[in-house]
Amino acid sequence: GAVVSQHPSRVICKSGTSVKIECRSLDFQATTMFWYRQFPKQSLMLMATSNEGSKATYEQGVEKDKFLINHASLTLSTLTVTSAHPEDSSFYICSANGGKETQYFGPGTRLLVL
Amino acid sequence: GEDVEQSLFLSVREGDSSVINCTYTDSSSTYLYWYKQEPGAGLQLLTYIFSNMDMKQDQRLTVLLNKKDKHLSLRIADTQTGDSAIYFCAEIPSSGTYKYIFGTGTRLKVLA
Repeated sequence: GAVVSQHPSRVICKSGTSVKIECRSLDFQATTMFWYRQFPKQSLMLMATSNEGSKATYEQGVEKDKFLINHASLTLSTLTVTSAHPEDSSFYICSANGGKETQYFGPGTRLLVL
Repeated sequence: GEDVEQSLFLSVREGDSSVINCTYTDSSSTYLYWYKQEPGAGLQLLTYIFSNMDMKQDQRLTVLLNKKDKHLSLRIADTQTGDSAIYFCAEIPSSGTYKYIFGTGTRLKVLA
C-alpha cells in the first residue's frame, strides 16, 4: 500500500515551453501533497504544499506563477513548469500524506530543458 | 534555524554494521523518519520513530533516539551491497503543518 506514482519519469523540452508533471496516490487518498526539487548530490528542497480543493502554499523564494500547482482531486496533483529555462532542469519529486504525518514519495521526474 | 545535520559519507564493508547519525533541531518533533534514496529514484520510507520511544527495531534496522541530545541514529545490521544509497533523516517540527525538515543526506557505500 501507499504507492505514489509520477508521470513522466523523464522529460526533455525546449526552452520557453511548459511542462506538466503529474503526481498520483494510487491506493490511498491524499488531502495534502508536497512538491520538492532536488539538485545533484543535495537534499530535497520543499517547493510547495498542495492542498486538495484550495490554493497551494509556496515556500519562500519559489515563484508561484512559474511553478503552477493544481490539486484537482484526492489522488492527483500536478506541477506545471511554465516557460521553462535551462536553470529549471532538475529532479522533481512529489510526496503524499498517507494518513497523519507520514509522507510517501513518488519516483521522481527528471526535467532537462535545452 | 531549522538545520538537520548528517555526516555526508559513510563507507563500510559488506557484512559489517552501518550506523548513520542525524542531529535534529526541534525538541518538540513528534515523528522522526529515515528514508533511502537510490540513484535516480524517489525516497523509500525505511522506518520511523515516535518521539516517546527510545528505540525501534525492524529486521536489520535499529533506530535509536536520544531526545536530550536531539540525536537520531539508524543502524543497519549485516550491511549488503544493495544497501548502498543515500539515507535521509527527516523530522516534523512542531509547527503543525506536516512539513518535513530533511537532513543533508548520508551517502552509504558498501564495499564487497
